[in-house]
Amino acid sequence: QEQLVESGGGLVKPGGSLRLSCAASGFSFSDFYMSWVRQAPGKGLEWVSYIRGDTFYTNYAASMKGRFTISRDNANKSLYLQIDNLRAEDTAVYYCARFRATGFNFYGMDVWGQGTTVTVSS
Amino acid sequence: EIVLTQSPGTLSLSPGEEATLSCRASLSVSRNYVSWYHQKPGQAPRLLIYGASTRATGIPDRFSGSGSGTDFVLTINRLEPEDFGVFFCQLYSGSPMGSFGQGTRLEIK
Repeated sequence: QEQLVESGGGLVKPGGSLRLSCAASGFSFSDFYMSWVRQAPGKGLEWVSYIRGDTFYTNYAASMKGRFTISRDNANKSLYLQIDNLRAEDTAVYYCARFRATGFNFYGMDVWGQGTTVTVSS
Repeated sequence: EIVLTQSPGTLSLSPGEEATLSCRASLSVSRNYVSWYHQKPGQAPRLLIYGASTRATGIPDRFSGSGSGTDFVLTINRLEPEDFGVFFCQLYSGSPMGSFGQGTRLEIK
């Protein structure tokens, strides 16, 4: 069964840091791009970042550059998101999701985790 | 950055009716990069359509996608009660980063 399980969320004070993790199972992890998508309470989806399967390419939403760092460990089938200098507006459910893409095609995010909740508050 | 605008914001329909959801891009995009998702309360999104018109695995043929250029449409025929929730379109991009539309909420009467 193809599965993604996030962890690492919690209550953090403004200015603090968190490292979110996503454990993959049931599929060939390194064959897929991996992504983080967040959803603030009552709001829509916001694409945070993604990383290619070979780890050599990463991309970030413009508003996320600088404080967010995506990484992966293919040997341990894990995805990570380091968030520094947390702000109240980072409060959200953070999902990891996989996708396939080529130079001309995007096949959609077909497997998602259940999400981990990050709350930034003093 | 290309912005995706979805309409309407909310749709209220009865079971058996047809729903038409729109997603408009601020610039012309490749249809190969457009996807649609369905999210129910408290759940992760579920992929419905990729490449603007290809149904994902396990998605019933009541769901269909179409469009090109700047205008894309998700059509849901013969609405069922479990179709309620929020639908998002998505654009993939290498640079700048892709994005999601703001969502259309579907309410079942």
